[in-house]
Amino acid sequence: AQSVTQPDIHITVSEGASLELRCNYSYGATPYLFWYVQSPGQGLQLLLKYFSGDTLVQGIKGFEAEFKRSQSSFNLRKPSVHWSDAAEYFCAAFTGNQFYFGTGTSLTVIP
Amino acid sequence: DGGITQSPKYLFRKEGQNVTLSCEQNLNHDAMYWYRQDPGQGLRLIYYSQIVNDFQKGDIAEGYSVSREKKESFPLTVTSAQKNPTAFYLCASSFDFIGRGSGKTQYFGPGTRLLVL
Repeated sequence: AQSVTQPDIHITVSEGASLELRCNYSYGATPYLFWYVQSPGQGLQLLLKYFSGDTLVQGIKGFEAEFKRSQSSFNLRKPSVHWSDAAEYFCAAFTGNQFYFGTGTSLTVIP
Repeated sequence: DGGITQSPKYLFRKEGQNVTLSCEQNLNHDAMYWYRQDPGQGLRLIYYSQIVNDFQKGDIAEGYSVSREKKESFPLTVTSAQKNPTAFYLCASSFDFIGRGSGKTQYFGPGTRLLVL
């Protein structure tokens, strides 16, 4: 079955530290891949997307993600986290005719 | 400003009552979607519409209905048949559904929280 997995339900990092959020997909071909961020009580905001080409994609707010076909992964990274980055992060994949969302990773940033 | 609006922000439903959630977009997008979000479960697709006057069931369509009479609007009705309606409902749109990759990017509204009295 096609799916998107975010193994980490919750992550806590210190402000200024680096961040990596994991995402794995299960699909025969390479899907279109997305990362979204959601603040409490708000909709989802698109951070970045990957369709083809360069496997390292840059997004908004200083985020980047790297597509690794061999690992079926699309991990989100940020070199230095800010307190305002605290939110819920969702990985998503479009596979042929449907979007699949991961269950989300909640990020807490401590001073 | 272009974007997706959802109203109301909060909605209360009584037992046996149907309620309708509004979703409007001025992005000139052909495709629109409704998702339900529950804690720890991510987003689940309720209905989607690829084009005006067409819509398809998603994974959890039972107890819901939609219409797509205008390109800009995709209202969702939560019927009395939906026994567990309390959730956060998100509407999204994309330029198209089956075209180029960039057209499939979904943009989301701010959401409506539905609560049962």
